Amino acid sequence: IAGITQAPTSQILAAGRRMTLRCTQDMRHNAMYWYRQDLGLGLRLIHYSNTAGTTGKGEVPDGYSVSRANTDDFPLTLASAVPSQTSVYFCASSERADSYNEQFFGPGTRLTVL
Amino acid sequence: GQNIDQPTEMTATEGAIVQINCTYQTSGFNGLFWYQQHAGEAPTFLSYNVLDGLEEKGRFSSFLSRSKGYSYLLLKELQMKDSASYLCAVRDGDYKLSFGAGTTVTVRA
Repeated sequence: IAGITQAPTSQILAAGRRMTLRCTQDMRHNAMYWYRQDLGLGLRLIHYSNTAGTTGKGEVPDGYSVSRANTDDFPLTLASAVPSQTSVYFCASSERADSYNEQFFGPGTRLTVL
Repeated sequence: GQNIDQPTEMTATEGAIVQINCTYQTSGFNGLFWYQQHAGEAPTFLSYNVLDGLEEKGRFSSFLSRSKGYSYLLLKELQMKDSASYLCAVRDGDYKLSFGAGTTVTVRA
């Protein structure tokens, strides 16, 4: 693994189903983030984690949950998917949350909820 | 909430210069980032400004004026591969990034 990986690459999901998007980084970064990207709206922060064991809510957290059991993994769960959650989801990480460091982004997961 | 504005689209000719402006109003300020995003790909880091002035990195330069809430990204000697979306992002007082909607730059031969 080099950098950040996300799985699946794309997914079509029926409304009401539960779905977990996976994110793994091998850079030993402390901070990790989940964004969704929608046309005309740019990237919006869903949830974040400044360090393993802690999480926080971003701009659009409703309908999503996260966990950070270790440094490398930061899964995003949709408990009961709705069509408005159709989007491209990017996971990102940075060495620390409170410093200059830029965020590195994973390749994204394209999710369609029908 | 945060407010970050940048033009939706710009078109320029290969070899030319293009300037992408970004204005922002945020709760606190801890730096401004520019990212490049090719269609269907992840954003990649281009530049970072936290103090006023110009930062130059090869063909790309970024400028910041904190008092005016203003930044620009300057792309010189445009190449076809520079056709992409350019994202302005501001880190607020809580160190969270807020992104503009992005500027799609099309480079024509």
